[in-house]
Amino acid sequence: DADVTQTPRNRITKTGKRIMLECSQTKGHDRMYWYRQDPGLGLRLIYYSFDVKDINKGEISDGYSVSRQAQAKFSLSLESAIPNQTALYFCATSDFQGEQYFGPGTRLTVT
Amino acid sequence: GNSVTQMEGPVTLSEEAFLTINCTYTATGYPSLFWYVQYPGEGLQLLLKATKADDKGSNKGFEATYRKETTSFHLEKGSVQVSDSAVYFCALSRMDSNYQLIWGAGTKLIIKP
Repeated sequence: DADVTQTPRNRITKTGKRIMLECSQTKGHDRMYWYRQDPGLGLRLIYYSFDVKDINKGEISDGYSVSRQAQAKFSLSLESAIPNQTALYFCATSDFQGEQYFGPGTRLTVT
Repeated sequence: GNSVTQMEGPVTLSEEAFLTINCTYTATGYPSLFWYVQYPGEGLQLLLKATKADDKGSNKGFEATYRKETTSFHLEKGSVQVSDSAVYFCALSRMDSNYQLIWGAGTKLIIKP
């Protein structure tokens, strides 16, 4: 089984809808991350969490929120989806030394 | 602040060619340096890393040497294969940034048979 799983893998939604992306990990790491990947722009950090009680904004948090339900679970929500949030979303985990482990990604399309 | 600069892609090579993907960084002190690879349709995975100056990371025929004097961590492979076609990301982490990864923009590599 994969160490980091993401659901759904693909999602098409309409403008204005609320959507949640979920991430689970079995690596036992305290740190979890949500990234967005757009063509030609590399990875951009949306939110990160260093433990269950710690949530921090990344460089592009506007329009997104997160919830850390447990050490193993970190979900990302788009409160009111808009077309420019169409992207590939990755969840990652790490130990305190920084090496990150990624999920397979969720491809989100907002029409 | 901390930053990572990679050569722009795509880089297109023939099979068995020599590969270099340049990566330079800006950071004070001694960051750890990483190369990640993203194969089509997949998430990123660690390819290799180096944690101190002059360290050489290696994996799957790829190598990169941590050069403090030139603030570089260039990725090399002596003979590429079609299966190496992917996007390659250089990244650094520093203790004073809580070991968060600072990412380069990624370089797409295309290997033609």
